[in-house]
Amino acid sequence: EAGVAQSPRYKIIEKRQSVAFWCNPISGHATLYWYQQILGQGPKLLIQFQNNGVVDDSQLPKDRFSAERLKGVDSTLKIQPAKLEDSAVYLCASSMDRGRSPLHFGNGTRLTVT
Amino acid sequence: SQQGEEDPQALSIQEGENATMNCSYKTSINNLQWYRQNSGRGLVHLILIRSNEREKHSGRLRVTLDTSKKSSSLLITASRAADTASYFCATDEAAGNKLTFGGGTRVLVKP
Repeated sequence: EAGVAQSPRYKIIEKRQSVAFWCNPISGHATLYWYQQILGQGPKLLIQFQNNGVVDDSQLPKDRFSAERLKGVDSTLKIQPAKLEDSAVYLCASSMDRGRSPLHFGNGTRLTVT
Repeated sequence: SQQGEEDPQALSIQEGENATMNCSYKTSINNLQWYRQNSGRGLVHLILIRSNEREKHSGRLRVTLDTSKKSSSLLITASRAADTASYFCATDEAAGNKLTFGGGTRVLVKP
């Protein structure tokens, strides 16, 4: 099966600019996750979708971050405006069944904010 | 907040040796999962152990779970240079239905 696709692979922006990341999950996976991974740390959940509904966005900085999952398939994560501390790898993952089946991760987007 | 905490943070061993890393967590779980991450890549699922299981094997991997102590261990036997990676435990919390990752153990296997 095709894996989770993410783009772009790398992005460099200046602070206060905006940026968007795209994710295409594995076909048939109902649950989609966006994680933020700061260098040297474990992934931190930003938002979790079940089909096209939000299940958990408790750790999403909603004043600057937004995410949507159109038609329960592809998803985009946007940051506007970016801050220096947003420099991280943004990982998208999908799973068949929320919490009870393994997550399949994309290779992530490495964001550098200067 | 991080549910799972791995120990040690880093581990350096010779090829052929065993590598053991531990994970402690705070709240009740449905299952605990271990993932591997190679440099610059996404995480890859290794093994899932349910809260009613005590031990699970997959190839050279052995995972134990002690829910009374809220801890798990991952053992990699006969390590290879290709096992060099970061290893993360992730807990599926009973209340909340979300997967929370720990900070990881960085393993270096020297040839």
